[in-house]
Amino acid sequence: DAGVTQSPTHLIKTRGQQVTLRCSPISGHKSVSWYQQVLGQGPQFIFQYYEKEERGRGNFPDRFSARQFPNYSSELNVNALLLGDSALYLCASSLADPSRFEKLFFGSGTQLSVL
Amino acid sequence: QKEVEQNSGPLSVPEGAIASLNCTYSDRGSQSFFWYRQYSGKSPELIMFIYSNGDKEDGRFTAQLNKASQYVSLLIRDSQPSDSATYLCAATTGGFKTIFGAGTRLFVKA
Repeated sequence: DAGVTQSPTHLIKTRGQQVTLRCSPISGHKSVSWYQQVLGQGPQFIFQYYEKEERGRGNFPDRFSARQFPNYSSELNVNALLLGDSALYLCASSLADPSRFEKLFFGSGTQLSVL
Repeated sequence: QKEVEQNSGPLSVPEGAIASLNCTYSDRGSQSFFWYRQYSGKSPELIMFIYSNGDKEDGRFTAQLNKASQYVSLLIRDSQPSDSATYLCAATTGGFKTIFGAGTRLFVKA
């Protein structure tokens, strides 16, 4: 089975531009979470979606938005890019079964550079 | 106060020794706890999870949880150079929100 796939793998944008990152979860997983990881730090929680609904949001500005589609894939959008948005964006999928423990399976990430 | 705190290290141990990694969390509502390993330039991968007080062993890895002290640890026995990586502690609260610590860098010297 395919793991979590993210696209693109690398992206270079300039300040003020908008970017869309894409993620396809593991087959059968209904939840997708997005994280931002700056070099030398742990992943910072941005969003979690489950069954197409936002279930959690981290401390990120409204420039960050996301959605989940009926096939459980997801997009993360960032508007009005700032230099500080340069980071590795990780998507993680999980079963999100309340009776289980929320094991996250990560994609390879999208490395975003804002110039 | 950060929700999940770890010593950033680096922690350096000789090959064959026990590496001990520690983590504290602030939210008493946290229900499950995870250790992820992240090699340089790669994404995190789950190596252990624990939800009950006490110890949980899996091969060379032992996770320990003390909810009263809000403390989680990971022991790696017979450390190998291939264990050199950043170890991320994570805690999940209600609503499936998983929060990560900053990670501890481990170096295992051959």
